[in-house]
Amino acid sequence: AQTVTQSQPEMSVQEAETVTLSCTYDTSESDYYLFWYKQPPSRQMILVIRQEAYKQQNATENRFSVNFQKAAKSFSLKISDSQLGDAAMYFCAYRSYGGGATNKLIFGTGTLLAVQP
Amino acid sequence: GAVVSQHPSRVICKSGTSVKIECRSLDFQATTMFWYRQFPKQSLMLMATSNEGSKATYEQGVEKDKFLINHASLTLSTLTVTSAHPEDSSFYICSAPDRGGETEAFFGQGTRLTVV
Repeated sequence: AQTVTQSQPEMSVQEAETVTLSCTYDTSESDYYLFWYKQPPSRQMILVIRQEAYKQQNATENRFSVNFQKAAKSFSLKISDSQLGDAAMYFCAYRSYGGGATNKLIFGTGTLLAVQP
Repeated sequence: GAVVSQHPSRVICKSGTSVKIECRSLDFQATTMFWYRQFPKQSLMLMATSNEGSKATYEQGVEKDKFLINHASLTLSTLTVTSAHPEDSSFYICSAPDRGGETEAFFGQGTRLTVV
């Protein structure tokens, strides 16, 4: 079975600085997806970024980028130029490739990010 | 972009009553929706996968008769908590995948259920 581990329960960053959130996972599969989701105080989940395991290039979305290390099974999220609105709980998640909706998301336990003004 | 609308956002009900939570895809068709439960300061726990026109697929340990899921149309899935008890109090979230079906891209606003 696949597992996702987020070893940092809480992180803090100064506004305008850069922060990296860690995520490791365990799987025997070669094809899969990895995601970062953001859950702000409103509690509505927001998809931040997605990475396909077969792609070597790290995904980026504006100020958000990932460092995907397939061999190490590591998938960290870097937030550049942190803003107050980035304060949220961040969840790393894994999904097996193919099968569409039959494959469920496997979430990590989350990292609570605080942004200091 | 695509939006999933979930209602109500908050509900308080008495023990023994039933509560229905609706999840609508506003500008796209969702043949599949997912229902999650989230306890305070914890991650999301998948309860069931809702399939339009067929029975929902429940995760192990989730009582089918207690958490009734109906996906009668391509834009609406409902979760009914029957004979609610205080331990059912929680935050419930629905989601829908994107067109490719591999990414849960759209989430409802969530429903905070309190059973008194």
